[in-house]
Amino acid sequence: GQNIDQPTEMTATEGAIVQINCTYQTSGFNGLFWYQQHAGEAPTFLSYNVLDGLEEKGRFSSFLSRSKGYSYLLLKELQMKDSASYLCAVREGDDKIIFGKGTRLHILP
Amino acid sequence: KAGVTQTPRYLIKTRGQQVTLSCSPISGHRSVSWYQQTPGQGLQFLFEYFSETQRNKGNFPGRFSGRQFSNSRSEMNVSTLELGDSALYLCASSLGDGYNEQFFGPGTRLTVL
Repeated sequence: GQNIDQPTEMTATEGAIVQINCTYQTSGFNGLFWYQQHAGEAPTFLSYNVLDGLEEKGRFSSFLSRSKGYSYLLLKELQMKDSASYLCAVREGDDKIIFGKGTRLHILP
Repeated sequence: KAGVTQTPRYLIKTRGQQVTLSCSPISGHRSVSWYQQTPGQGLQFLFEYFSETQRNKGNFPGRFSGRQFSNSRSEMNVSTLELGDSALYLCASSLGDGYNEQFFGPGTRLTVL
């Protein structure tokens, strides 16, 4: 079956670093996505990992370990605008993408 | 380049009615995926169309159906609406053929009374 787990909520302080974890159990793994979704808006693409390792893109980095079924999204130098939900999603096969329920991140000043 | 557009943005229906939602992908994108988003269940995959063919399907009842036209525009239809169908329906387009990034439209907020 398919199972994607991530924490429901997290809180961090402006300027700090936060790591959002995601574990998954799926068949036919073909890549892992992270999306950001602000309240009332559509999700926007952050990163994609298909090979093990760390992908860095500005203040955001994403890590994948396929053998452990584990990924994390690392956000550095947090800003108030980073308050949002972060969605972990796994692609199975060609283009079927299964989403986790998302982690709501609260940034405190 | 214009983004993904969805119409209508808001819709109110009553139980038993049917509804059709429309999605226009980014020009050149051939893959369109549909998702249902609710506070309790998060984003759930409905189906994906590529070059007018349904390529993948999620675990939704047959009341949910869709199609894609030759210009890649897609529609989804929900028949015999239930209260539980109230949700935000999002479509996302991508180039397909294994390209990674999906671009989401603003969604259609469906309320079933």
